[in-house]
Amino acid sequence: DSGVTQTPKHLITATGQRVTLRCSPRSGDLSVYWYQQSLDQGLQFLIHYYNGEERAKGNILERFSAQQFPDLHSELNLSSLELGDSALYFCASSAGLWDQPQHFGDGTRLSIL
Amino acid sequence: DAKTTQPNSMESNEEEPVHLPCNHSTISGTDYIHWYRQLPSQGPEYVIHGLTSNVNNRMASLAIAEDRKSSTLILHRATLRDAAVYYCILSSQAGTALIFGKGTTLSVSS
Repeated sequence: DSGVTQTPKHLITATGQRVTLRCSPRSGDLSVYWYQQSLDQGLQFLIHYYNGEERAKGNILERFSAQQFPDLHSELNLSSLELGDSALYFCASSAGLWDQPQHFGDGTRLSIL
Repeated sequence: DAKTTQPNSMESNEEEPVHLPCNHSTISGTDYIHWYRQLPSQGPEYVIHGLTSNVNNRMASLAIAEDRKSSTLILHRATLRDAAVYYCILSSQAGTALIFGKGTTLSVSS
């Protein structure tokens, strides 16, 4: 058990819709990272938050946004969903700002119909 | 971040040692070498990381070449549970985002 909790585990929705994925980091960790894993692209870094502030952005689409709340949980919002957004979305956490992601959750599987 | 090259796949037998190679010829002096693995249907899992010296932990050993242009992840006695995709990743000291490549798919047979 990594200590990182992601909800929901599975999400099925239609194109054009909006969804929110939630992540609770391991207790005591201040950094949260989001990754997208699709069959053709592998694991892609999306965004990193540290103690509520955005620290780095990767290949995150403008239709996607994220935030980290004062209690350190994070949410990834995906809007105007397209078929190509179907993927596994992983959240990871680590203790400090410069630490690499240490603990990954089990992911949310998003299926767009 | 500098790139890494890993074999697409490797096979091993249970109870035998496994040496997973990684080439990183353009590594810079501040790049750390990280290894993660991803078991089927799970999120990635941190395995080990190092800078210049060889490193050991309860999961594996990391052997780093003297010129740092290559490294090897060593699983001392493979088990069926070690079947996974293994990723070798470089990141600078100031970097916060790991860039995963395609990794090496390790198969372990009993």
